[in-house]
Amino acid sequence: GAGVSQSPSNKVTEKGKDVELRCDPISGHTALYWYRQSLGQGLEFLIYFQGNSAPDKSGLPSDRFSAERTGGSVSTLTIQRTQQEDSAVYLCASSLGPADYNEQFFGPGTRLTVL
Amino acid sequence: RKEVEQDPGPFNVPEGATVAFNCTYSNSASQSFFWYRQDCRKEPKLLMSVYSSGNEDGRFTAQLNRASQYISLLIRDSKLSDSATYLCVVSVEYGNKLVFGAGTILRVKS
Repeated sequence: GAGVSQSPSNKVTEKGKDVELRCDPISGHTALYWYRQSLGQGLEFLIYFQGNSAPDKSGLPSDRFSAERTGGSVSTLTIQRTQQEDSAVYLCASSLGPADYNEQFFGPGTRLTVL
Repeated sequence: RKEVEQDPGPFNVPEGATVAFNCTYSNSASQSFFWYRQDCRKEPKLLMSVYSSGNEDGRFTAQLNRASQYISLLIRDSKLSDSATYLCVVSVEYGNKLVFGAGTILRVKS
C-alpha cells in the first residue's frame, strides 16, 4: 500500500519568501506529526495532529511557522518570511493512533534550502 | 541537558562483530522507548520497541533500565547492511510527543 508522501521533495527559496510543504499520511492514520532535521542533527518535533486538531504546538520554532490539517488527512506546514536557519529536511510521519503505542511511518521528507 | 543523549560515534566495526549502543533520557516519567534506524538521506524507520523486560529480534537485543534511565541496543554478528544511524526515541508524555536522540552512526566494514 501507499506510504506517507510529501511534496515537494526539494524546495529552494529566497530569504523572506513564504513556503508551503505538504504531507499525505497513510490512509486511516489519525495521528500526524511534523519534524525537522538539520544536517547532522536529530529530529526536532514541531507539531502533532490528532484528527484535525493540534493539541501540541509547543515545538513550532516561531510564529512564522503554522500548520493545518483538513479532513483528517492532508496536512500543510507553512513557513512565512523564511530565514536561512529554516533550511533543513522537514519530515512528516503518521500513525494509527498515539505514537507511544503505534509505529510512526515517515515520509521521504522535503529538503528546504533558503538562500 | 538534552532530553535524549546518545554517543554520536561513529562506531567502525568489522563484519561479524558485536556492537552495543547506549542512550540516556532525562524525563523519569517517560513511558515508551524505541530504536529507529535511519539510512543516509532516507527517512527513519522503526527498528524495535524497547520493553521493560528487554526484548530480542533476531540479531538485535534492546534493554531498558528505568532506575538509571538508560536504554541499550546490542547488535550481534554485524552485517554490512547494518550500517546506518541508530536513533534512540523516548515518549515524554502520553501519546503526543516522541523525542529523538541525535543518533549513533554505525559503519560495518568487510
